[in-house]
Amino acid sequence: DVKVTQSSRYLVKRTGEKVFLECVQDMDHENMFWYRQDPGLGLRLIYFSYDVKMKEKGDIPEGYSVSREKKERFSLILESASTNQTSMYLCASSLGQGFSNQPQHFGDGTRLSIL
Amino acid sequence: LAKTTQPISMDSYEGQEVNITCSHNNIATNDYITWYQQFPSQGPRFIIQGYKTKVTNEVASLFIPADRKSSTLSLPRVSLSDTAVYYCLVGDNTGRRALTFGSGTRLQVQP
Repeated sequence: DVKVTQSSRYLVKRTGEKVFLECVQDMDHENMFWYRQDPGLGLRLIYFSYDVKMKEKGDIPEGYSVSREKKERFSLILESASTNQTSMYLCASSLGQGFSNQPQHFGDGTRLSIL
Repeated sequence: LAKTTQPISMDSYEGQEVNITCSHNNIATNDYITWYQQFPSQGPRFIIQGYKTKVTNEVASLFIPADRKSSTLSLPRVSLSDTAVYYCLVGDNTGRRALTFGSGTRLQVQP
C-alpha cells in the first residue's frame, strides 16, 4: 500500500513564526499535493507539484510556499503564520501524468493551531 | 467548469443500501467521475472512479447515466463503519478541476 506520512499529527505555533509541514511518500509518485480542510469548506488545494523542483499554485496559495527538492518529499511553508491559518492540513500523492484518472493517496493530516 | 452538487447529509440504518447522487450538469467530454471517502481524523480514501455506465468494485458501485450529468454512488448493505463523508469529484487530466473536493455528503449509519 502507498504510504503518505506527515511529520506531525498536531502542531501548535505562534503568530509570526515560520512553520514547516513535511510530507513523505514511499511509492515514487510524481504528483504531490497540499490541501487544507476547514469545517463547511471541504478540502481546498493550496499547492501541488508534478515533478521535483516544480510547483503550481492551487486555489488558495496566499501566505504559503512549498518546496520539492526530492521526489518523495513535499514541504509546505507558512512564511509568517497567522491565526487564520489554523486548520487541518492534508498531503496527498498520485502516480503519473494527469490528475483525474490516478487516485490520490492521502496522509492522516496535521492539525495546526496558530496562537 | 463542471461544478458538483451533493446532498449535505444522509442517514441510514445498518444493512440498508445507500445511494448518494452527485449532480454535475456541466461535465465535459473528457471528464472522469471520482468518489472518495473520509473518516474523522483521517485523509480521504479513493473509493471508485468511472467514465460512463456502471463500475463496480469490492466496496461500491458507481452508476452513470448516458448523459453523464449525474452519478450515483451505491453502497450495498452499509454498516456503522461506513459512517463518513463522501466526496464526488469531476475533472480531466489537464486541469485542476479533478482536485476540487467540495463539502461532500456526510453519511450517518445508525444501528
